[in-house]
Amino acid sequence: ELKVEQNPLFLSMQEGKNYTIYCNYSTTSDRLYWYRQDPGKSLESLFVLLSNGAVKQEGRLMASLDTKARLSTLHITAAVHDLSATYFCAVVHTGNQFYFGTGTSLTVIP
Amino acid sequence: DAGVTQSPTHLIKTRGQQVTLRCSPKSGHDTVSWYQQALGQGPQFIFQYYEEEERQRGNFPDRFSGHQFPNYSSELNVNALLLGDSALYLCASRTWGMPNYGYTFGSGTRLTVV
Repeated sequence: ELKVEQNPLFLSMQEGKNYTIYCNYSTTSDRLYWYRQDPGKSLESLFVLLSNGAVKQEGRLMASLDTKARLSTLHITAAVHDLSATYFCAVVHTGNQFYFGTGTSLTVIP
Repeated sequence: DAGVTQSPTHLIKTRGQQVTLRCSPKSGHDTVSWYQQALGQGPQFIFQYYEEEERQRGNFPDRFSGHQFPNYSSELNVNALLLGDSALYLCASRTWGMPNYGYTFGSGTRLTVV
């Protein structure tokens, strides 16, 4: 069974700092998605990564995919409070079934 | 353009009861998947429906069943509720022929079993 691990699970960072969230998965996949979830809310799509070496950027967030290493990263640049949320990566396996990571709870401190 | 709509938003049930959750997919979408998200966990895949048939199923017992209607809306039924079924249930939709675009998620139904 495909396993998806994220680290760190919890991240507290100061405004203005940079940090990276890592997503490792155990089985070959060429599609990976990043979602954001605010407390009590649903999942908001952030990035769709469809090939090895794919890099996507939106505002202060940048995501990349290395399918050979089975690794995706979500880099946060100059964090602001509005980025506080839980971030999930999801890997697609057989039949377009999504396997979600454990989530990274990010808190940005003023 | 309405996104994925789920009802009800919150529900409290007693152990042993049965529950039905409902989902209307985003306009233009024909495929619906259901996920269970326990507190502090990532969503877990329950099953997927397309053309009114269950196409894929995750590792959930037969107490969990579903249905898709001709208008693409869907229901999730859970029988003989257990305390462990307490979770946020998310419905997600997409277009079957466009898998790369991923899913659009609804706001979920928070089920509490007491």
